[in-house]
Amino acid sequence: AQKITQTQPGMFVQEKEAVTLDCTYDTSDPSYGLFWYKQPSSGEMIFLIYQGSYDQQNATEGRYSLNFQKARKSANLVISASQLGDSAMYFCAMGPPGYSTLTFGKGTMLLVSP
Amino acid sequence: NAGVTQTPKFRILKIGQSMTLQCAQDMNHNYMYWYRQDPGMGLKLIYYSVGAGITDKGEVPNGYNVSRSTTEDFPLRLELAAPSQTSVYFCASSYSTGDDGELFFGEGSRLTVL
Repeated sequence: AQKITQTQPGMFVQEKEAVTLDCTYDTSDPSYGLFWYKQPSSGEMIFLIYQGSYDQQNATEGRYSLNFQKARKSANLVISASQLGDSAMYFCAMGPPGYSTLTFGKGTMLLVSP
Repeated sequence: NAGVTQTPKFRILKIGQSMTLQCAQDMNHNYMYWYRQDPGMGLKLIYYSVGAGITDKGEVPNGYNVSRSTTEDFPLRLELAAPSQTSVYFCASSYSTGDDGELFFGEGSRLTVL
């Protein structure tokens, strides 16, 4: 079974600062994918970034980067230069590569202040 | 592009009633999924389908049924609604191949069972 743990219920950051959202995972599968999704107050789910377990380099997508440490089973999301629009719930998830029967964490609420 | 379309967006049911949540995608994705999100929690997989005529259970399938007669449509049936099924339901789809398995979500259907 796969498990995702997000230990930060809420995080506060000032605009233009960087913030790291923690995610640890547990699985016995040799191959897997790690995802981050954003859920604003409007409720939709927005894909941010993906990291494959065999990818040698950390994934980056614009202001988002995934700090993947396989030995520590962590997949932290780093948001650089936070913006007010980044205020949302952030979910870490994992699943088998290629399709998305994902296991989600409980999420971290990020609030960005001016 | 319509993407993933869910109907209805809101519904109130009485205990014991039945209903079907509709989901359609126009991206020709083979894989489709139903997730539920309880308050303050991450998403949990109910059912998924890897193609027309093929469905499989996820983490929380009890009380639900699905069918996949076409590539485009993946309805979720609730039989004998119970208060425990009060939740927000998300339909999603993804490409059948490729490593990233990015999920494309619908806007969600908020169901209340009283």
